[in-house]
Amino acid sequence: GAVVSQHPSWVICKSGTSVKIECRSLDFQATTMFWYRQFPKQSLMLMATSNEGSKATYEQGVEKDKFLINHASLTLSTLTVTSAHPEDSSFYICSASGVPSSGSLNEQYFGPGTRLTVT
Amino acid sequence: AQSVTQLDSQVPVFEEAPVELRCNYSSSVSVYLFWYVQYPNQGLQLLLKYLSGSTLVKGINGFEAEFNKSQTSFHLRKPSVHISDTAEYFCAVRFSGGYNKLIFGAGTRLAVHP
Repeated sequence: GAVVSQHPSWVICKSGTSVKIECRSLDFQATTMFWYRQFPKQSLMLMATSNEGSKATYEQGVEKDKFLINHASLTLSTLTVTSAHPEDSSFYICSASGVPSSGSLNEQYFGPGTRLTVT
Repeated sequence: AQSVTQLDSQVPVFEEAPVELRCNYSSSVSVYLFWYVQYPNQGLQLLLKYLSGSTLVKGINGFEAEFNKSQTSFHLRKPSVHISDTAEYFCAVRFSGGYNKLIFGAGTRLAVHP
């Protein structure tokens, strides 16, 4: 149990276009989802926290109009990078917490990540 | 301020040797502690966690860690490493009252050599 998937696993887009990344909890209801960004050889930086049915809470310095987060159901959250630029190229990782069939309440379960390259 | 420090950015070690990856944190409130492993181009896999109880925690793949409250540390250890342990290791802390947010250390690259 407690599996989180991301789609796509990698994406290449042109500068100025928008790209959507999906994060799904496959076998549990994710009341909270987190979105992280990881640059090469660096740690994970939390971008935002979203609760199902509520607006996301963004970390300081993260542009909420550029990184649109939607958490419309207990199994799906999406991150849309709007008007992407080369500096947005990064590894985006989501995590989910809730009540899985196995594991503990409030533990975060991580997706496999999405590699975004903006040309 | 609340923070997590991984003291070593890289740790080279020979196969079958013991290893310790260090993690210290700074907090005025209770903490929950985690170690994750990340293989190239993959997400994070939980190795072990400390929530409460015994301060010596055993995880997957033969790893263990000890929570030392007085030294605010949670060092990760393995008595004998394998080539397959080569990866990036992240220490993470959840601070009590922190709404389930995880703060990650900078990571330690473990490189196991034959």
